[in-house]
Amino acid sequence: GAGVSQTPSNKVTEKGKYVELRCDPISGHTALYWYRQSLGQGPEFLIYFQGTGAADDSGLPNDRFFAVRPEGSVSTLKIQRTERGDSAVYLCASSLIGTSGGAGSYNEQFFGPGTRLTVL
Amino acid sequence: QKEVEQNSGPLSVPEGAIASLNCTYSDRVSQSFFWYRQYSGKSPELIMSIYSNGDKEDGRFTAQLNKASQYVSLLIRDSQPSDSATYLCAVYFTSGTYKYIFGTGTRLKVLA
Repeated sequence: GAGVSQTPSNKVTEKGKYVELRCDPISGHTALYWYRQSLGQGPEFLIYFQGTGAADDSGLPNDRFFAVRPEGSVSTLKIQRTERGDSAVYLCASSLIGTSGGAGSYNEQFFGPGTRLTVL
Repeated sequence: QKEVEQNSGPLSVPEGAIASLNCTYSDRVSQSFFWYRQYSGKSPELIMSIYSNGDKEDGRFTAQLNKASQYVSLLIRDSQPSDSATYLCAVYFTSGTYKYIFGTGTRLKVLA
């Protein structure tokens, strides 16, 4: 089946502009995660959704960042007043269930190809 | 602060050798552990998951988990140049929240 998709693959914008990054998870996956990855670093957690609600947004760096998932499927990460420091690859991932405290393949998380954001 | 630590490398091994990658984590209640491979310019690809103490084998890959010592490792047998990539360890934390924390990754170079 189709994997996680993200659009656009690349986004170049100017400092101060607004951008939206889209993620379409694997069909049936209820948990959706956004990460940011800088060169030489592992993915840094931003926010995760369980269904339509943001279950944990503790990784969002400041109030310029916001994400929605209105119908429990596609999610949009929104960044206002972009800054050069926002330049990174933004990754989206989904898993079948995100709230189980146990172990199992339903916790396996799959990534999309990412959106490379460059703020000039 | 929940942490996952890896040696950034690079780890260089000759072709055909066993590559051993290690990861330690801070939270004792974690139950799910994952290894991802990331090629330069690409997104992470899940290669192994492990949930119980001991070894789990899948082809040339073996994941090892020791919850008492809070470490997880990945062995790659018969390493190939195509295995050259960054290997990310991820731990699924379930105390207070449900999220994955990633290490910084270990860069592996397999020399032909």
